[in-house]
Amino acid sequence: AQSVTQLGSHVSVSEGALVLLRCNYSSSVPPYLFWYVQYPNQGLQLLLKYTTGATLVKGINGFEAEFKKSETSFHLTKPSAHMSDAAEYFCAVSDSPWDQFYFGTGTSLTVIP
Amino acid sequence: GAGVSQSPRYKVAKRGQDVALRCDPISGHVSLFWYQQALGQGPEFLTYFQNEAQLDKSGLPSDRFFAERPEGSVSTLKIQRTQQEDSAVYLCASSALFSWGTDTQYFGPGTRLTVL
Repeated sequence: AQSVTQLGSHVSVSEGALVLLRCNYSSSVPPYLFWYVQYPNQGLQLLLKYTTGATLVKGINGFEAEFKKSETSFHLTKPSAHMSDAAEYFCAVSDSPWDQFYFGTGTSLTVIP
Repeated sequence: GAGVSQSPRYKVAKRGQDVALRCDPISGHVSLFWYQQALGQGPEFLTYFQNEAQLDKSGLPSDRFFAERPEGSVSTLKIQRTQQEDSAVYLCASSALFSWGTDTQYFGPGTRLTVL
């Protein structure tokens, strides 16, 4: 069965600092991995995804993530935080892009001016 | 439409009332998912449709929850005799099955249900 663990329910960074949001997964099959962002009172917006191919994935708004099979990780990074990055971030795993997603409990990112 | 839409955006119900939540997926998307997101938690799977067929309803928490998609497009999630523990945001997502160009699920804004 698939599952996702997001370490750190709350992360605070200074504006301009590195953002690192952690995601570890458990999967019995080759995983498909996703990061979504959720702003208050809005739905989930896809940041990036790993399905096949290159393990370093670049997404929108300057975010990227690296699939590391040996570490069962898919951490999300951004070199320089912006105030507009403050939001809730969810990591998800699936058997395929068309099967149900298993979400982590989310990480709330605060950006300090 | 351009994206997944859901209505109503907010619903307040008294305990014991029945509610119906609507989802309009992206046009042409074969797959439709419902998720429940409790406060401070990640979304959890409820049920899945492929066209009009409900292929997986393993996530529905009780027999008070019922979902349908009779014509393979719009879907309705119905909750009978609502309880306070049903308070959550209900998210709908759609995807184009086996289409690598759009290999993800697209989420609607959700319906926030509050049961008093």
